[in-house]
Amino acid sequence: GQQVMQIPQYQHVQEGEDFTTYCNSSTTLSNIQWYKQRPGGHPVFLIQLVKSGEVKKQKRLTFQFGEAKKNSSLHITATQTTDVGTYFCAGRLGTASKLTFGTGTRLQVTL
Amino acid sequence: DTAVSQTPKYLVTQMGNDKSIKCEQNLGHDTMYWYKQDSKKFLKIMFSYNNKELIINETVPNRFSPKSPDKAHLNLHINSLELGDSAVYFCASSQVNQMQYFGPGTRLTVT
Repeated sequence: GQQVMQIPQYQHVQEGEDFTTYCNSSTTLSNIQWYKQRPGGHPVFLIQLVKSGEVKKQKRLTFQFGEAKKNSSLHITATQTTDVGTYFCAGRLGTASKLTFGTGTRLQVTL
Repeated sequence: DTAVSQTPKYLVTQMGNDKSIKCEQNLGHDTMYWYKQDSKKFLKIMFSYNNKELIINETVPNRFSPKSPDKAHLNLHINSLELGDSAVYFCASSQVNQMQYFGPGTRLTVT
């Protein structure tokens, strides 16, 4: 079964509202990456977090890696219509070499 | 200059046919991947090659056979196509354990 879960599956917000997606793994992750996929597009890398408790910001986006390295979050402040898409976390479970993608959160933003 | 390219973009074929998807990257990366994205948007890794050597081979039917003639190319051949093979197939490349660059995807529809 899916080992990296994201919640919510879908969120619809009005432009200007905040948005958060949560990523949870049953296994410790060596690192976590976040990707964005626009409708009809392909996943595009956003950021990588490596250290326990790490927080990184990219303009209106804030990424966190949990202290236990089993969860992560992406928070978008004051969403814009350009934020529409599906956000995926992806991590390496333990010492695995492959990247396991989360189930994704689809964000819809309306005016 | 397209970093990761795939052909064809769309592929419509009948059950039982054999088809191939080609992928090329001009980023000088050592590692290439094939992912399958189903109708629920789940992204699952199928194969990974590092310097032409197969390093990840997930539980994929042996009707799927990847081939890497050189480290810039990774092709996917599918024999005896089935309805359940309908999906979007993404090629990606990266340096080892770094961010992945995805191609535009190939939407395969089996009728």
